[in-house]
Amino acid sequence: AQKVTQAQTEISVVEKEDVTLDCVYETRDTTYYLFWYKQPPSGELVFLIRRNSFDEQNEISGRYSWNFQKSTSSFNFTITASQVVDSAVYFCALSDTGTYKYIFGTGTRLKVLA
Amino acid sequence: DTGVSQNPRHKITKRGQNVTFRCDPISEHNRLYWYRQTLGQGPEFLTYFQNEAQLEKSRLLSDRFSAERPKGSFSTLEIQRTEQGDSAMYLCASSPTGTGDTDTQYFGPGTRLTVL
Repeated sequence: AQKVTQAQTEISVVEKEDVTLDCVYETRDTTYYLFWYKQPPSGELVFLIRRNSFDEQNEISGRYSWNFQKSTSSFNFTITASQVVDSAVYFCALSDTGTYKYIFGTGTRLKVLA
Repeated sequence: DTGVSQNPRHKITKRGQNVTFRCDPISEHNRLYWYRQTLGQGPEFLTYFQNEAQLEKSRLLSDRFSAERPKGSFSTLEIQRTEQGDSAMYLCASSPTGTGDTDTQYFGPGTRLTVL
């Protein structure tokens, strides 16, 4: 069965600190996609990144970076120099290659304090 | 570029009433998905359309739930005889086909349902 685990329920940091959000997944598929979404208080899920299972290169986009390791089935997300506007719930998701439906983790609530 | 839109944004209803939600996907997106999100949880898949064909339904989608996507454009999700347990955020998403971005879903703002 496919599963996504985000063990960190809530994280609080002070502005300008770095923070890493963990994501561990389970799948029997050899081809799959992993995603991160941000859900601010308004409720809309905002797409951040997609990574396919054949591409283990780490990616950096501004203050965001992602570390994908197939050996540990992890796809972690780091925010460098966090800002108050980063406060949100962050979801990791795995796509089902048959229907493309997503399996989401339970989310990590990030609070960045000024 | 218009994103996914959902109406209404909020719906309060009494137990036993029927409700219908609408989703308008990004134009030319062939795939459309419905998810349900309860407080403190991640979204859970409900159903999926490719064009007008409903290709998969979750076991979460009881007989009281029905979804349609006539003509492969907008979609509606109807809940009959609502129960308090149906209170949740209902999210719609769409994704394109035939390009390198086929697996990325773009979500609407959701419809928050409260059943009293």
